[in-house]
Amino acid sequence: EIVLTQSPATLSLSPGERATLSCGASQSVSRSYLAWFQQKPGQAPRLLIYDTSSRAPGIPDRFSGSGSGADFTLTISRLEPEDFAVYYCQQYGSFPFTFGQGTRLEIK
Amino acid sequence: QVQLVQSGPEVKEPGSSVKVSCKASGGAFNRFPINWVRQAPGQGLEWMGGINPLSGTTDYSQRFQGRLTITADESTNTAYMELNSLRSEDTAFYYCARKGGGDCSYTNCYIHGNWGRGTLVTVSS
Repeated sequence: EIVLTQSPATLSLSPGERATLSCGASQSVSRSYLAWFQQKPGQAPRLLIYDTSSRAPGIPDRFSGSGSGADFTLTISRLEPEDFAVYYCQQYGSFPFTFGQGTRLEIK
Repeated sequence: QVQLVQSGPEVKEPGSSVKVSCKASGGAFNRFPINWVRQAPGQGLEWMGGINPLSGTTDYSQRFQGRLTITADESTNTAYMELNSLRSEDTAFYYCARKGGGDCSYTNCYIHGNWGRGTLVTVSS
């Protein structure tokens, strides 16, 4: 099973700033099948990025994903108030699929 | 855009079973696999397993092996997640999720593009 480790656990930033979230895998993620999700309280997760760098439909272009092998990054170029939430990475390259433990992005 | 509608909240006693449904509308039911993900209160996301409705093939997390059964009924466009031998640690929101559309190959057919709203299962005596 691939273990995903997200860092930092909590990120405190202000609107307008740039956010960089990391996701490290215990082994290489097959075909770079890595996704990022956003989750707000009381809501289901929402897919932001799939296949490492492809934005899901309707996702603003301030969200971008990059990486390869075992190291991946989600970047939010300029934070909007609605971006403060919990973010999860997930690998779906090999069974069982696994999620990282999450990064909480909070307002500074 | 596919919509996934899940069954309502459940309260179960320890040792019993629960079966949660996920009905798909707005897209071909058997086009993409359906995943089940759970989230305990205040905790992270955990992938439980998935089913390819076309082939009936299932894949499960080893963590639930022997207790989890995922099925799909093409006649009603509904997937089911049944968890047995419930314990208090199984108290969680249970979500179904599947890819919304587009092409795919290999395991990227399992992309969690569309989610149900979740079903709260509470295990308590």
